[in-house]
Amino acid sequence: QKEVEQNSGPLSVPEGAIASLNCTYSDRGSQSFFWYRQYSGKSPELIMFIYSNGDKEDGRFTAQLNKASQYVSLLIRDSQPSDSATYLCAAIIGGTSYGKLTFGQGTILTVHP
Amino acid sequence: NAGVMQNPRHLVRRRGQEARLRCSPMKGHSHVYWYRQLPEEGLKFMVYLQKENIIDESGMPKERFSAEFPKEGPSILRIQQVVRGDSAAYFCASSPMTGELFFGEGSRLTVL
Repeated sequence: QKEVEQNSGPLSVPEGAIASLNCTYSDRGSQSFFWYRQYSGKSPELIMFIYSNGDKEDGRFTAQLNKASQYVSLLIRDSQPSDSATYLCAAIIGGTSYGKLTFGQGTILTVHP
Repeated sequence: NAGVMQNPRHLVRRRGQEARLRCSPMKGHSHVYWYRQLPEEGLKFMVYLQKENIIDESGMPKERFSAEFPKEGPSILRIQQVVRGDSAAYFCASSPMTGELFFGEGSRLTVL
């Protein structure tokens, strides 16, 4: 089992819809989770991080964490064509206290007009 | 631009040559990380450095790869005797302490 697993997609949604991106992780002791966005040929850009169970909202983005189910998700409301990118879920695994992130394979999101 | 600076952005090497990739962290950041992204694969951690110290190199291949972050100057990722399988995007990231990572634009290595 991969340490961080994402549904690879691709995921296609119409403009204005909600895009839902999912991620599971294997290490029950993981505490810190991150969502990055990566446009083709560009660097990863941090969208959100979440440490506590529940929801965390920032503008059109909501991250959800369920530690009992070892599940992290990212919801994008009112999706725009500019949101089309690869979304990377990452976690700090194994109790480390620094930025040694384990990334999932990424989910390709396409928002069509 | 106060972001993480990487150079060169693109590097072409023939098999057996050496590749040197440089990274200057964001101002005020003393922690540097190197990640590698192979074609069609996710980002993989390689090494974590602070000034003059390698903290965690558990993701570095055992041979041909080395990294340093000297007291003065950028962090350098060095790949000796490159092979085709080394072709990838190499990303550097910095953080102020143990906070979120800020990534540079990456150095794309092509080995012919």
